Amino acid sequence: DSGVTQTPKHLITATGQRVTLRCSPRSGDLSVYWYQQSLDQGLQFLIQYYNGEERAKGNILERFSAQQFPDLHSELNLSSLELGDSALYFCASSVVGLVGTGSNNEQFFGPGTRLTVL
Amino acid sequence: GEDVEQSLFLSVREGDSSVINCTYTDSSSTYLYWYKQEPGAGLQLLTYIFSNMDMKQDQRLTVLLNKKDKHLSLRIADTQTGDSAIYFCAESRVTGANNLFFGTGTRLTVIP
Repeated sequence: DSGVTQTPKHLITATGQRVTLRCSPRSGDLSVYWYQQSLDQGLQFLIQYYNGEERAKGNILERFSAQQFPDLHSELNLSSLELGDSALYFCASSVVGLVGTGSNNEQFFGPGTRLTVL
Repeated sequence: GEDVEQSLFLSVREGDSSVINCTYTDSSSTYLYWYKQEPGAGLQLLTYIFSNMDMKQDQRLTVLLNKKDKHLSLRIADTQTGDSAIYFCAESRVTGANNLFFGTGTRLTVIP
């Protein structure tokens, strides 16, 4: 058990809908990362939050957004869903906010949310 | 991932050693990681190595890093059926975003 929790475990919805995925980081970790895992794209970084603020953006679509709350949990909002959004969405957490030459950015992953868009 | 490559499949017999290879291209990599993903599960951090090290051993796991060739390997000694999973290498870079850059993953199948 990594200490990172994600809910829900599975989500099935229809095209055009909006969903919210939730993540609670490990105790003491200030950074939360969201990744998408799909068969064709592999593991792709979406976005990072550190202590409530957006820190870095990856290949995140404009239809997707995220936030991190004062208690450090994070939510990933996916809207106007398309079939191609079906994937595993992982949240990871780490202590590090900004990678430097001496920073070990080991990230601990949650069990993921499997999203199926029909 | 961005230029982090792994072979897709590896099959070994139970009791043999497995060697999973990874190549990367970014010379600013600082730490390199190995993660394991079992079916239907998240990614489990197995081990990591700092870029100024050549080798790290942790029980049955040995990580070798050739920084000149940008080549990383994970050796699993006495491979067991429970080691069957997908293994991802990942790198942390000084430049760019703070995310990890993942390889494509190697599916290890252990034959009893």
